[in-house]
Amino acid sequence: TQTVSQSDAHVTVFEGDSVELRCNYSYGGSIYLSWYIQHHGHGLQFLLKYYSGNPVVQGVNGFEAEFSKSDSSFHLRKASVHWSDSAVYFCAVSGTNAYKVIFGKGTHLHVLP
Amino acid sequence: EAAVTQSPRSKVAVTGGKVTLSCHQTNNHDYMYWYRQDTGHGLRLIHYSYVADSTEKGDIPDGYKASRPSQENFSLILELASLSQTAVYFCASSLRDRATGQLYFGEGSKLTVL
Repeated sequence: TQTVSQSDAHVTVFEGDSVELRCNYSYGGSIYLSWYIQHHGHGLQFLLKYYSGNPVVQGVNGFEAEFSKSDSSFHLRKASVHWSDSAVYFCAVSGTNAYKVIFGKGTHLHVLP
Repeated sequence: EAAVTQSPRSKVAVTGGKVTLSCHQTNNHDYMYWYRQDTGHGLRLIHYSYVADSTEKGDIPDGYKASRPSQENFSLILELASLSQTAVYFCASSLRDRATGQLYFGEGSKLTVL
């Protein structure tokens, strides 16, 4: 059974700060990991994904994520956040049945001016 | 730009009534999905489809039916709506290729059952 856990429901930082949003997964086979962003009142938009190769993947708007098999993690990072980064971020995992994507509960990032 | 359009964007239904949520994609994607979003639960997969005229159950299919009459269209049907089905529903589509198969989401349909 695949599971994905986002331990922080809310994260608050100031504009210009760095941020890390945590994601841990549980799955025994080949795995596909993604991050999505949801601005209030809208659908989810894809940020980045990992399925093989370099464990650090780059996404849009300066986001990156690092895959760690030993820690079963795929944390999302940004070096300097902007107020427009305020949104809910979802980590997602899929495995053998790549079309069955499981989402975490989301982390609400609040960026203060 | 990939596009997934949902209708209606908002609906109020009465308990026991029938509700149909529609989804149309212009991405030429094979795969389509219906998710439900509730506060504190993230997104949960209700039904999905690989190909027209075929649907598969997701993690929470009870109380929902799905229909995929064509590659472009995927509907979610609540035959007897209940209070517990008040939620925001998202449709999504994706390519067949696992390596590039990111999900493209619609803007959501907010359903309130009274």
